[in-house]
Amino acid sequence: SAVISQKPSRDICQRGTSLTIQCQVDSQVTMMFWYRQQPGQSLTLIATANQGSEATYESGFVIDKFPISRPNLTFSTLTVSNMSPEDSSIYLCSVRGLAGGSEQYFGPGTRLTVT
Amino acid sequence: QQQVKQSPQSLIVQKGGISIINCAYENTAFDYFPWYQQFPGKGPALLIAIRPDVSEKKEGRFTISFNKSAKQFSLHIMDSQPGDSATYFCAASKRGGSNYKLTFGKGTLLTVNP
Repeated sequence: SAVISQKPSRDICQRGTSLTIQCQVDSQVTMMFWYRQQPGQSLTLIATANQGSEATYESGFVIDKFPISRPNLTFSTLTVSNMSPEDSSIYLCSVRGLAGGSEQYFGPGTRLTVT
Repeated sequence: QQQVKQSPQSLIVQKGGISIINCAYENTAFDYFPWYQQFPGKGPALLIAIRPDVSEKKEGRFTISFNKSAKQFSLHIMDSQPGDSATYFCAASKRGGSNYKLTFGKGTLLTVNP
């Protein structure tokens, strides 16, 4: 499996500010994803991070609110912009296509609290 | 429309018992069915996965049973231990094409009493 790290692991932010979450994988992967998980809830896909091009966003998520970068095959960032308390959640990086496989692995998550 | 329905929402089992979690899917294009285990404060960990060309896959105490005609799959945890207490998510996707994204069930909170 892949070793996935996320920074920061948690943060408390003020309303109206922005936070950038970093995701680093120890091996090259085909696909990288960003998910959101509300406490006690299932996982919701925010977007697929595409290397060298704009991310593909799911319904209900927009680039202005969640800009994503993926400069290479091992790194991606998710920014949560103009935060409100409703953005308080766990944000998870996920990767797929390690060594050509279908398995999808998740990072440890970033716990965000917006006050 | 939820494409993967998971039940039960919560489950309490005694140590040594069998835990069974069920999932049903709707999209017949799905051909990859993983299960994830998530402990509080951690990211989901891939536990075991199955493809529709087999009816059962076993890894240690964990077994996936798959029924293609019924579009159902289940996770069995044999000899359940308190350390198995976690939230379990089933998921489904297609290995390639436009349905490659994982669709998750809503999760099952498993508690194994000592």
